[in-house]
Amino acid sequence: DAMVIQNPRYQVTQFGKPVTLSCSQTLNHNVMYWYQQKSSQAPKLLFHYYDKDFNNEADTPDNFQSRRPNTSFCFLDIRSPGLGDAAMYLCATSRGGRGLGTYGYTFGSGTRLTVV
Amino acid sequence: AQSVTQLGSHVSVSEGALVLLRCNYSSSVPPYLFWYVQYPNQGLQLLLKYTSAATLVKGINGFEAEFKKSETSFHLTKPSAHMSDAAEYFCAVSSASGGSYIPTFGRGTSLIVHP
Repeated sequence: DAMVIQNPRYQVTQFGKPVTLSCSQTLNHNVMYWYQQKSSQAPKLLFHYYDKDFNNEADTPDNFQSRRPNTSFCFLDIRSPGLGDAAMYLCATSRGGRGLGTYGYTFGSGTRLTVV
Repeated sequence: AQSVTQLGSHVSVSEGALVLLRCNYSSSVPPYLFWYVQYPNQGLQLLLKYTSAATLVKGINGFEAEFKKSETSFHLTKPSAHMSDAAEYFCAVSSASGGSYIPTFGRGTSLIVHP
């Protein structure tokens, strides 16, 4: 089945040690999103790719970076994780372009990041 | 600008009772509206969506929602709750912004179902 896959499901990293979360999709969607979700809160958009165009949210810390080497893969890099970065990180995809916002968004199962 | 307000961070119902989860939105352009469900340690799963067709939208698992433009609401209902419906529910609005449709999520409502 076409889907969005996030690896790993659970990630433990040390304070200040760079970590990379990955997302892959078989839907051939041209838009990919990264969300941060802290406990009992709504998902917060960090950034998204529209094809190869990177769109950063204004309040996303510089500590968070992303790469999209091809349509299928997208990575979230946290350069120096702090205790406040512990959260669930969700990847989502959608079809982009005018008139295509109706399709909704397909989410992966998320990666729960713990910082020790 | 767009925003979503979900009234009530927790809703508690008995099994078999009506489920009503409230969502109000604001959007400067005609919106697309969504309800998502999230089970513990899982991603978000689409329940249903409103895309300017019928105002009463039927989704999966017996849920439905009605778009009321005059009230700027998109409340989620289910006639009879099941224990398996216990989860976090998120309402989201999406509207065009420079060719992209970026969803904005509400804070979520936790549905608790009592036996």
